[in-house]
Amino acid sequence: DAEITQSPRHKITETGRQVTLACHQTWNHNNMFWYRQDLGHGLRLIHYSYGVQDTNKGEVSDGYSVSRSNTEDLPLTLESAASSQTSVYFCASSGPGLAGNEQFFGPGTRLTVL
Amino acid sequence: QKEVEQNSGPLSVPEGAIASLNCTYSDRVSQSFFWYRQYSGKSPELIMSIYSNGDKEDGRFTAQLNKASQYVSLLIRDSQPSDSATYLCAVNVRGSTLGRLYFGRGTQLTVWP
Repeated sequence: DAEITQSPRHKITETGRQVTLACHQTWNHNNMFWYRQDLGHGLRLIHYSYGVQDTNKGEVSDGYSVSRSNTEDLPLTLESAASSQTSVYFCASSGPGLAGNEQFFGPGTRLTVL
Repeated sequence: QKEVEQNSGPLSVPEGAIASLNCTYSDRVSQSFFWYRQYSGKSPELIMSIYSNGDKEDGRFTAQLNKASQYVSLLIRDSQPSDSATYLCAVNVRGSTLGRLYFGRGTQLTVWP
């Protein structure tokens, strides 16, 4: 069955370190999204991609980057981790057409920055 | 005004009752509307999509859309304790079919036995 996976599921890192969170989907979806979810803020869009070599900034993109070299993967990199980036991170993907707005989420990565 | 507004709750209903969750949105050109369920510590799960005015039923769930009033709701009939979760309303951005969604902050529902 098609799915979307994230790794690691839990990560503890130190301030200033570079961290990469992986997202892999087997839906063959063109659209992929990264969100963070914090109490009181709901889901906030970090970056998104509509296809290979396409990346776009979301509403909270500072300190994060993504690259899209193939259809299946959209890794999220924290260039220099900060305590404010402690959060739960969700990756999502969606397909084409009107139903392409239906986003399917991965299980999430809980990141703690000490 | 936020793009998507939901009653923050929490909403508490007894088992067997109808739970009513409401959502308003600001973007008049939005075409796609979704309800996600999120259990504590889990990821959002799509439970309903609705694209046309009126009602859409799926089992115990009914989504209602009124584009003129910019209002979408989710009714859960015969609520069960397993329905206890946070429900997120989502709306597509500026009529885009490319997948970007606005999410509300969610309504926490508790169904007590």
